[in-house]
Amino acid sequence: DTEVTQTPKHLVMGMTNKKSLKCEQHMGHRAMYWYKQKAKKPPELMFVYSYEKLSINESVPSRFSPECPNSSLLNLHLHALQPEDSALYLCASSQVGSLAGSTDTQYFGPGTRLTVL
Amino acid sequence: GNSVTQMEGPVTLSEEAFLTINCTYTATGYPSLFWYVQYPGEGLQLLLKATKADDKGSNKGFEATYRKETTSFHLEKGSVQVSDSAVYFCALLNSGNTPLVFGKGTRLSVIA
Repeated sequence: DTEVTQTPKHLVMGMTNKKSLKCEQHMGHRAMYWYKQKAKKPPELMFVYSYEKLSINESVPSRFSPECPNSSLLNLHLHALQPEDSALYLCASSQVGSLAGSTDTQYFGPGTRLTVL
Repeated sequence: GNSVTQMEGPVTLSEEAFLTINCTYTATGYPSLFWYVQYPGEGLQLLLKATKADDKGSNKGFEATYRKETTSFHLEKGSVQVSDSAVYFCALLNSGNTPLVFGKGTRLSVIA
């Protein structure tokens, strides 16, 4: 099974709201990723967690706050977002992150489509 | 650095036509290469992969061969279906402290 699940599927929020995106995998993967994808563009890497530790933060604004409570779960906490943050947010996982010298396949979830009003 | 170049499309084909989507890459060492597919309104699905030179990845009638001499990983399918309409991303992953690198994506529309 190569399934990554994400909730919610759709989210609409105001600029003053606080919300969270959730991602879960049960493949025993130890690396998890958040990507942001704008329309007609490839995904852009935001964060990488390796063995539940944040290993890459691609200069993402602090209004995005990732959390990895355990090896199966990854959250993205959102606060004071801007309309330009509206996008598809994708979670992915792999057995071992590329920081460990691995080229393991990344498996993606279905995404959360976020709209910021 | 690492980069991927793929034909941007859009590509429009009739059902049962032959498909080729070109992908070339620049990388040091021996990266792994991937094709991901994104159907409308969905996330990315791994379509196929190859981890070393001359490997052929295949899935659902799609094929791609890792050609180190031409630094290419072209996607092919002999007979496309309407259900193949999607955006296809070529991607590269090199070992070490490097992220997954995507091409810009190619939109394929198959008409009946």
